[in-house]
Amino acid sequence: GAGVSQSPRYKVAKRGQDVALRCDPISGHVSLFWYQQALGQGPEFLTYFQNEAQLDKSGLPSDRFFAERPEGSVSTLKIQRTQQEDSAVYLCASSLRRDRNEQFFGPGTRLTVL
Amino acid sequence: AQSVTQLDSQVPVFEEAPVELRCNYSSSVSVYLFWYVQYPNQGLQLLLKYLSGSTLVKSINGFEAEFNKSQTSFHLRKPSVHISDTAEYFCAVSQPSGSRLTFGEGTQLTVNP
Repeated sequence: GAGVSQSPRYKVAKRGQDVALRCDPISGHVSLFWYQQALGQGPEFLTYFQNEAQLDKSGLPSDRFFAERPEGSVSTLKIQRTQQEDSAVYLCASSLRRDRNEQFFGPGTRLTVL
Repeated sequence: AQSVTQLDSQVPVFEEAPVELRCNYSSSVSVYLFWYVQYPNQGLQLLLKYLSGSTLVKSINGFEAEFNKSQTSFHLRKPSVHISDTAEYFCAVSQPSGSRLTFGEGTQLTVNP
């Protein structure tokens, strides 16, 4: 079956530009997570949704980062006024509510800010 | 708060040799433990997990890990590796009542012929 998909796979932005990264979770998965993976590091938690409700956004590094999931399915991570330190791979994961500890990851979006 | 330490950033081994990738965690409460594998240009894939019960858990491709509460460890082992096992391996922890995963920095396993 279809897994978690993310688009675009690669994004190059000039410093100061706004970007939007899309995540399509596995159909029927209630929980959705965003992680940031810097080069040579493990993924770090950004935010978590259960359906359309954003239950935890404590990992968002600044107010330039914003995530939404308005209909409880597709999610968008938006970064405003990008900075070079935002360069990373952004990973999306989804899980079933009843077995939410198994998270299924998408391939990620590699963001490069010049 | 919880944290994960993967003691080796790179582990080179020869094909058919045994391997152990080390993982230690820190947490003030009980935890769930995971190993994920990441192949080049692919997403993270769950390799195995410990939630409760038997402390020895196994994957379908020959890896196993043992939860050791007294040593706060969850080391990953395989008795005989293949070239195709070359990948980055991440240890992760979560709380039963929580949702976020906390990852270690990863171990690059390289299997040489």
